Amino acid sequence: GAVVSQHPSWVICKSGTSVKIECRSLDFQATTMFWYRQFPKQSLMLMATSNEGSKATYEQGVEKDKFLINHASLTLSTLTVTSAHPEDSSFYICSARGASSEQYFGPGTRLTVT
Amino acid sequence: QKEVEQNSGPLSVPEGAIASLNCTYSDRGSQSFFWYRQYSGKSPELIMSIYSNGDKEDGRFTAQLNKASQYVSLLIRDSQPSDSATYLCAVKDPGGGNKLTFGTGTQLKVEL
Repeated sequence: GAVVSQHPSWVICKSGTSVKIECRSLDFQATTMFWYRQFPKQSLMLMATSNEGSKATYEQGVEKDKFLINHASLTLSTLTVTSAHPEDSSFYICSARGASSEQYFGPGTRLTVT
Repeated sequence: QKEVEQNSGPLSVPEGAIASLNCTYSDRGSQSFFWYRQYSGKSPELIMSIYSNGDKEDGRFTAQLNKASQYVSLLIRDSQPSDSATYLCAVKDPGGGNKLTFGTGTQLKVEL
């Protein structure tokens, strides 16, 4: 149980374009989903918390107009990186929380902006 | 600023030995603690959660929590080369919102 999927697993895009990443909880309903970013050899950095049916809560320093989050259902949240630039290249990972306090991570999406 | 501290390592142990990974946290109100394993290039995988003082065992893994000392540890018995990974300690924000604060992780290397 507690399986979380992400799509795509990797993406290469050109500078200035937008990329959408999907996060799905496959076998449970996720009341809350989280989006993280991880740069090489660094720990996870929480970007935003997403609750179904409400606006996402962004961490300090994360631009909400650049990283658009939608949590339209209890099993799906999306992160759209708008007008991507090379410095946005990173490993983006979502996690989902159900009824318990435990968070389960998706496999991650590696974004490369050229 | 809530902090979760881990020794970055690498921690090297021989195959079959016990690996001991340690974590301290700054927020005395924290109640929920988690250990994640992350292989290089992969996302974190939940290994253990612990909420009460004392030990919690699951297979070869034992989590230990001491809230008075603000200390949580993970023991891996009979370490295997496949245990080689980075182990992340995470502490749930007691203020609500279900956010986790992660340590920077300890790299474990199990040598043949």
